[in-house]
Amino acid sequence: EAAVTQSPRNKVTVTGGNVTLSCRQTNSHNYMYWYRQDTGHGLRLIHYSYGAGNLQIGDVPDGYKATRTTQEDFFLLLELASPSQTSLYFCASRGDRGTEVFFGKGTRLTVV
Amino acid sequence: GDSVTQKEGLVTLTEGLPVMLNCTYQTIYSNAFLFWYVHYLNESPRLLLKSSTDNKRTEHQGFHATLHKSSSSFHLQKSSAQLSDSALYYCALGGADRLTFGKGTQLIIQP
Repeated sequence: EAAVTQSPRNKVTVTGGNVTLSCRQTNSHNYMYWYRQDTGHGLRLIHYSYGAGNLQIGDVPDGYKATRTTQEDFFLLLELASPSQTSLYFCASRGDRGTEVFFGKGTRLTVV
Repeated sequence: GDSVTQKEGLVTLTEGLPVMLNCTYQTIYSNAFLFWYVHYLNESPRLLLKSSTDNKRTEHQGFHATLHKSSSSFHLQKSSAQLSDSALYYCALGGADRLTFGKGTQLIIQP
């Protein structure tokens, strides 16, 4: 069974704070993704990567940075968190085109 | 760019009635991959169905969908809704390097 592990599962931070969300996949997948999920907007792609050291911009990248340090590890960074970034964040991984995308359990981030 | 439209944000049905969730898409790729993902509360979204073959019915766990490239549609159906079907359903389009999701349809099944 493909595995994507996110940490932390819950995080509360203050406006202007610095947050790092972590994701590790053990699927040997090339592609990794960060999505945010908001009611009325669905899953929106923030950043993605097709390998270590690679980074691609998604559809809602403002306020977010990301880094892919290894094939397994993909991090999402919020350097000046704002309340608008309060959301449920999902990391996912995928192999070849047309194959299944596997999701982690999500990180609920609250910016107060 | 690619886009997916799910017109219904919320669908409420009585148990036993048929389910149909609509999905249309736009892409420049002739070989499009379409997916349905289901997201139960407090779980990870997971794959329900996928297809890339025109006019072929795909089935899984009582749900089915047929990709119609002529109308760019991939509607999700089930003959008889169960209480356990209550969840958030996403239609998604697989591109070369990313998956584009619709806004999702919240399905609520009532007794």
